[in-house]
Amino acid sequence: GNSVTQMEGPVTLSEEAFLTINCTYTATGYPSLFWYVQYPGEGLQLLLKATKADDKGSNKGFEATYRKETTSFHLEKGSVQVSDSAVYFCALSLNNKLIFGAGTRLAVHP
Amino acid sequence: GAVVSQHPSRVICKSGTSVKIECRSLDFQATTMFWYRQFPKQSLMLMATSNEGSKATYEQGVEKDKFLINHASLTLSTLTVTSAHPEDSSFYICSAFGPVSNTEAFFGQGTRLTVV
Repeated sequence: GNSVTQMEGPVTLSEEAFLTINCTYTATGYPSLFWYVQYPGEGLQLLLKATKADDKGSNKGFEATYRKETTSFHLEKGSVQVSDSAVYFCALSLNNKLIFGAGTRLAVHP
Repeated sequence: GAVVSQHPSRVICKSGTSVKIECRSLDFQATTMFWYRQFPKQSLMLMATSNEGSKATYEQGVEKDKFLINHASLTLSTLTVTSAHPEDSSFYICSAFGPVSNTEAFFGQGTRLTVV
């Protein structure tokens, strides 16, 4: 079946550190891939997306590249800020359904 | 981008009562909306797919008589938690695919339900 696996958290970093959150997927078909961010007590916001292999999604300094050969969509940011503290969800879209990973909590300290 | 509005954001109800949660697409029409449930520090679990003008499609293990879904118009879907119990306390989130394509979903703000 279709599924998303992302690294367990929490991830704790100091401000300006480099961030990587790993995400791999299994899909029967050609999904679109997403990263969503959830701030405390809120719904989800789309952070970035990629709809086909080798596409790179980017937003607010975050990047992720759709790697078909490794079925991965790792999230990266060169220099995190305290305001980036949130839960990050990797997701795939296929057949009109969104399937989420378990989420990775990021805590950034000054 | 497209806006999905969910109401209420928080609700506390007594055990045995029913609670209705609304999900509206504000600037686009959504023939399909999705309802998720999120437990503390966990991922989103898809409960059901709400289809305008027809019956909702429920995921395995979700009680359709417990969680009533109505999608009466192209901009409104409602989730009613019937005869709520404390174990129904959770964060409920709705979403809809945007007007441009069905590859990008937009989410409501979520509803924190507490059953006492």
